[in-house]
Amino acid sequence: DAGITQSPRHKVTETGTPVTLRCHQTENHRYMYWYRQDPGHGLRLIHYSYGVKDTDKGEVSDGYSVSRSKTEDFLLTLESATSSQTSVYFCAISEGIVGRGYTFGSGTRLTVV
Amino acid sequence: TQLLEQSPQFLSIQEGENLTVYCNSSSVFSSLQWYRQEPGEGPVLLVTVVTGGEVKKLKRLTFQFGDARKDSSLHITAAQPGDTGLYLCAGAKTGNTPLVFGKGTRLSVIA
Repeated sequence: DAGITQSPRHKVTETGTPVTLRCHQTENHRYMYWYRQDPGHGLRLIHYSYGVKDTDKGEVSDGYSVSRSKTEDFLLTLESATSSQTSVYFCAISEGIVGRGYTFGSGTRLTVV
Repeated sequence: TQLLEQSPQFLSIQEGENLTVYCNSSSVFSSLQWYRQEPGEGPVLLVTVVTGGEVKKLKRLTFQFGDARKDSSLHITAAQPGDTGLYLCAGAKTGNTPLVFGKGTRLSVIA
């Protein structure tokens, strides 16, 4: 059983539409993260959460919002998708902010046309 | 500015060869981690190093953290096709900040 799942795995959306990506964990870990991975840029942190309703911005947070109303769910919303947000999005979880490392989901490939 | 620089960016070698990939920074990190990522999947943690000069071995993989805690290396002995993947280093500047990742080294081991 995967301790972390992302949905959807693939999505194509039109420019200007809102999009929400979901990350669900069964590990009861405190920390959850959203990263995006792009060729030439590697993994970059968008937002992270250190508890229910506690979130903070990462390196590339513009155009994104997050919510965490339950320990197990961390949602990433693109309010109005743009082509520059075409990317692979990874959610990760950890017990401590660094600690024993991060466990990543399998990713969501988002294409904005 | 990339906080963690990885080199080489790409590496293609024959099965049985040895290789080393590097992760360098001008900043000090409280810890460094190495991950491997296969196509269509998320990165998977290989190792964490926390002490300057620390060396850890994982079968044919040897990881070293620099004495000044600014750099790390990953050495693979007798590479196998199953080692193929994207190797990422990641560091935490303090114990209270999320990981930052390097851009990765894409390794291809040819049988």
